[in-house]
Amino acid sequence: QKEVEQNSGPLSVPEGAIASLNCTYSDRVSQSFFWYRQYSGKSPELIMSIYSNGDKEDGRFTAQLNKASQYVSLLIRDSQPSDSATYLCAVLGQGAQKLVFGQGTRLTINP
Amino acid sequence: GAVVSQHPSRVICKSGTSVKIECRSLDFQATTMFWYRQFPKQSLMLMATSNEGSKATYEQGVEKDKFLINHASLTLSTLTVTSAHPEDSSFYICSARNRGRGNYGYTFGSGTRLTVV
Repeated sequence: QKEVEQNSGPLSVPEGAIASLNCTYSDRVSQSFFWYRQYSGKSPELIMSIYSNGDKEDGRFTAQLNKASQYVSLLIRDSQPSDSATYLCAVLGQGAQKLVFGQGTRLTINP
Repeated sequence: GAVVSQHPSRVICKSGTSVKIECRSLDFQATTMFWYRQFPKQSLMLMATSNEGSKATYEQGVEKDKFLINHASLTLSTLTVTSAHPEDSSFYICSARNRGRGNYGYTFGSGTRLTVV
C-alpha cells in the first residue's frame, strides 16, 4: 500500500464548476497535510496546508481533513481554465522531516 | 518571503560529464534541504535529505557516489550529478525547510531540467 494515494486522473471539470480532489494516507499519526499545484514543466507551489480536522478555506480553495478516515481533500470552487494543473497531496508524519507525496491528480478545466 | 533560488534552470551536457545544480535560500536559513527528481508524468521522487554541516541521507536506490550533495551553509546546497548518462535526464527540484516557520516552511526551487546527450 502506498503511503499517500491519489487518483491520477485525468479529472475533467467544466469551467465554473467545483473540482474535488481526494487523497488518502496510511500513516495514522501524520500531523500535517499540504496541497501543491504543479503546472507542466514547473516546480510545485503550495496552495493549502491543513493540520486539524474539518475545513479550511482560502479564497476559492477549501481543504478538508478527516483524520479518523485518513482522508484529505481539496475543493476548488468556480473552476477556471488556469486551475488546469497537476495537484499533489503531501503528508508530513509526526516528528518527520520529509514530505511524502502522492502521485498527483491531473485536473483539466474545460472552457 | 521564503524564496528558494535554483540554478541552472536548464542544462544540456554530454554523457560522462558532471553537472552541478545549486539551491539557495535567499531570505531565510534552511536547516534542511531536499532534492527530488521527477520524470515525465510522474510524481516527485525524493532522492536525499541534507542537513547543514552533515552528510546527506539518501533514499533507498539512490547512488550516493553518483549524486553528490553538499550542504555547507544554511543557505546553500548543491547536487552534483557525476558521470551523467542519458537515463539521468530528468527534472531535478530542490526544497528548503525554513526552520523559523515550522511545518509551513517547505519552499521549492524552480527546478532544473537536465538533458544528457
